[in-house]
Amino acid sequence: KQEVTQIPAALSVPEGENLVLNCSFTDSAIYNLQWFRQDPGKGLTSLLLIQSSQREQTSGRLNASLDKSSGRSTLYIAASQPGDSATYLCAVNNDMRFGAGTRLTVKP
Amino acid sequence: KAGVTQTPRYLIKTRGQQVTLSCSPISGHRSVSWYQQTPGQGLQFLFEYFSETQRNKGNFPGRFSGRQFSNSRSEMNVSTLELGDSALYLCASSWLAGAYTGELFFGEGSRLTVL
Repeated sequence: KQEVTQIPAALSVPEGENLVLNCSFTDSAIYNLQWFRQDPGKGLTSLLLIQSSQREQTSGRLNASLDKSSGRSTLYIAASQPGDSATYLCAVNNDMRFGAGTRLTVKP
Repeated sequence: KAGVTQTPRYLIKTRGQQVTLSCSPISGHRSVSWYQQTPGQGLQFLFEYFSETQRNKGNFPGRFSGRQFSNSRSEMNVSTLELGDSALYLCASSWLAGAYTGELFFGEGSRLTVL
């Protein structure tokens, strides 16, 4: 049974800092992994999808990497902004398994 | 292109009642999955439908059920509501090929409060 873990549970950084969010999964037989952000009381917004054959994906200031052999994915956010404050979740799509999320606060 | 639409957005029910939530997927997406999100348990998978058939099911009691129509719209029903059913219910749609689930797109959710 796939288990998805996200560390840390919460993170507070000053504006402008580069940061890394972590996602671990127990079963490396995945098809793809997806990163989302969620604002309070809202649905999930897709950020990046990494297919199992890919090592990384980039969108603007975001870069997500995938290492299936070690069961890890990271989301790198460059030059963080207060508008990046949200909860970030990762999901192993074919298993419909989500991590508990990392709550990010970027302070002006 | 319209996104995933969930209705109603907010609703209040009392214990013992039942509730039906609706989800319209992105045009062309035939897979619809449902999730329950609570502060204590996080985001938990309820079930997934594809071409009107339940494809996967999470670990929830039989009070939680769903269905999908020929136009891919989906509904979920919760009978005999309990206080613990208070949650944000999220629906996601995706395209599907065999065991491969494509990118998930979520609706804004239905916030259910059980009194």
